[in-house]
Amino acid sequence: GAVVSQHPSWVICKSGTSVKIECRSLDFQATTMFWYRQFPKQSLMLMATSNEGSKATYEQGVEKDKFLINHASLTLSTLTVTSAHPEDSSFYICSARENLNEKLFFGSGTQLSVL
Amino acid sequence: RKEVEQDPGPFNVPEGATVAFNCTYSNSASQSFFWYRQDCRKEPKLLMSVYSSGNEDGRFTAQLNRASQYISLLIRDSKLSDSATYLCVVRVYTGGFKTIFGAGTRLFVKA
Repeated sequence: GAVVSQHPSWVICKSGTSVKIECRSLDFQATTMFWYRQFPKQSLMLMATSNEGSKATYEQGVEKDKFLINHASLTLSTLTVTSAHPEDSSFYICSARENLNEKLFFGSGTQLSVL
Repeated sequence: RKEVEQDPGPFNVPEGATVAFNCTYSNSASQSFFWYRQDCRKEPKLLMSVYSSGNEDGRFTAQLNRASQYISLLIRDSKLSDSATYLCVVRVYTGGFKTIFGAGTRLFVKA
């Protein structure tokens, strides 16, 4: 099946620093990728939809200036958490859909801990 | 009301038991339905798609009832390795497709 690689797996950083998370589709082209956040014991919450070559579409309540998304190629999307604060500590997961295939393929997730 | 609602759980069952999860969705424009499995601090993995005719994959059976807007997952002969969170996922068309996740139902299978 399709593979989505997400890096890094976990990050510990100081408050105020920026953190970049990469999401790559390894064996297919993904014109659309999705970024989610998951707090403990809660479901995945869609943050934004990343579109190759255009601006990302953010969900209501998600600050686009804080969570910068870049989808520069058909196989790579990045999420940058700018000026991270402890409340940004969460599990971030990306996913991609293989064109017309309805199934979502997920990255392995990134656990972000902001001290 | 949440767009996708699931039994809150947790479900604690012995090995070999049969367990059923239910999920309801509110948008009648929902088009595709899935069950995903998520282990702690891991990414969700597709367990099975759900079709109107019902479908079975080994010990797992999924059912869809469009009239009542609910989906079910039945696990027979539970194994210890079935312990996980099961996410009900609905894909709905609202001018564009959107994927909505339920909050998940936690299952613990005990020896």
